[in-house]
Amino acid sequence: NAGVTQTPKFRVLKTGQSMTLLCAQDMNHEYMYWYRQDPGMGLRLIHYSVGEGTTAKGEVPDGYNVSRLKKQNFLLGLESAAPSQTSVYFCASSSTPPHYGYTFGSGTRLTVV
Amino acid sequence: ELKVEQNPLFLSMQEGKNYTIYCNYSTTSDRLYWYRQDPGKSLESLFVLLSNGAVKQEGRLMASLDTKARLSTLHITAAVHDLSATYFCAVDIGSSGDKLTFGTGTRLAVRP
Repeated sequence: NAGVTQTPKFRVLKTGQSMTLLCAQDMNHEYMYWYRQDPGMGLRLIHYSVGEGTTAKGEVPDGYNVSRLKKQNFLLGLESAAPSQTSVYFCASSSTPPHYGYTFGSGTRLTVV
Repeated sequence: ELKVEQNPLFLSMQEGKNYTIYCNYSTTSDRLYWYRQDPGKSLESLFVLLSNGAVKQEGRLMASLDTKARLSTLHITAAVHDLSATYFCAVDIGSSGDKLTFGTGTRLAVRP
């Protein structure tokens, strides 16, 4: 019973490098989300998806891109990393209504130097 | 724009005492969620409140929702050290994708 799996768990990038964070869920959930968590700011929504092949912008989308080619996977890309993107990134998924909240992944701690 | 405010932001309390965390939000909603996060860990769902007047209890924690006042409370009864964590409330206003907007969190430290 894996739930939501995020890889990698930790990563250090140099400014300007690119990377992709992978989120995989095995619960057949339609909706998937990427949040970032910064001290004192709670969680802020980056992008989300309401189904395979769909993506939409959240509150803080700049500098990120996403793709949802398969229902179970939601990828978050950083094309040119900046120190301001140092954060903990959480992926989450949920079923369509009735809505009982999110299931979160374990998080990816990203440091950009 | 939906704003979700929690207070206090930090709470240090003695074991055995009672306290309440407040979550206020700015836009009409009848869907509110409480999560717990231990240091360095992910978020764990505590309560799902889906209607005005909803009350849920689990052990020493009780959550309630007043949609008219746009207020939810998380009440802690006879705190124990194991309750030390950060608690987040999150609100869904029913927009496309059922997106949640989170409060900034309340860091709870229970001391002997």
